[in-house]
Amino acid sequence: DGGITQSPKYLFRKEGQNVTLSCEQNLNHDAMYWYRQDPGQGLRLIYYSQIVNDFQKGDIAEGYSVSREKKESFPLTVTSAQKNPTAFYLCASSIRAGEGYTFGSGTRLTVV
Amino acid sequence: QKEVEQDPGPLSVPEGAIVSLNCTYSNSAFQYFMWYRQYSRKGPELLMYTYSSGNKEDGRFTAQVDKSSKYISLFIRDSQPSDSATYLCAMSGHGGSQGNLIFGKGTKLSVKP
Repeated sequence: DGGITQSPKYLFRKEGQNVTLSCEQNLNHDAMYWYRQDPGQGLRLIYYSQIVNDFQKGDIAEGYSVSREKKESFPLTVTSAQKNPTAFYLCASSIRAGEGYTFGSGTRLTVV
Repeated sequence: QKEVEQDPGPLSVPEGAIVSLNCTYSNSAFQYFMWYRQYSRKGPELLMYTYSSGNKEDGRFTAQVDKSSKYISLFIRDSQPSDSATYLCAMSGHGGSQGNLIFGKGTKLSVKP
């Protein structure tokens, strides 16, 4: 079955640590996205990539970094510079930018 | 004015009711309109996808787009407790090479048995 897989489902981070969230898709989609979702805030775009080896900052990129070395993979690193990282993180992909997105099941990150 | 406005609710209805969910938008360039359903602690799933103005029906769900009023709606007929979720509208200017989706903040729906 084609789909988009995020791992882990739950992640705990100590203050000052970097953590990497995994996102893999086997849908042959060109575009991939990372969103952060907080209660009452809706979906906020962190980073997106329309093609391999290229990515763009979204609305809230500070404290985050990404890479797109393979079409299937778009990992997100939450760095120690992100002051309030506790949130639900969603990865998505689409055939092209602006088309309907397929979302992963999310990673809930908690700072302890 | 925000690009996409959506009443967050919560909206509570009895089982069997007709539900109406709405979004307004300000950007007249939007042409592609979507509705997503998100269950608690899950990723959103695409429910309906429409292009330009008009209606689209899929089972108990009907999506309407009124570009002249910059207003989109999702109707759910014979609502079921399993419809209880957050519904997000989304739209983009070009289904193709330009533009990312712009999301509403979501409306939380609860259907009571």
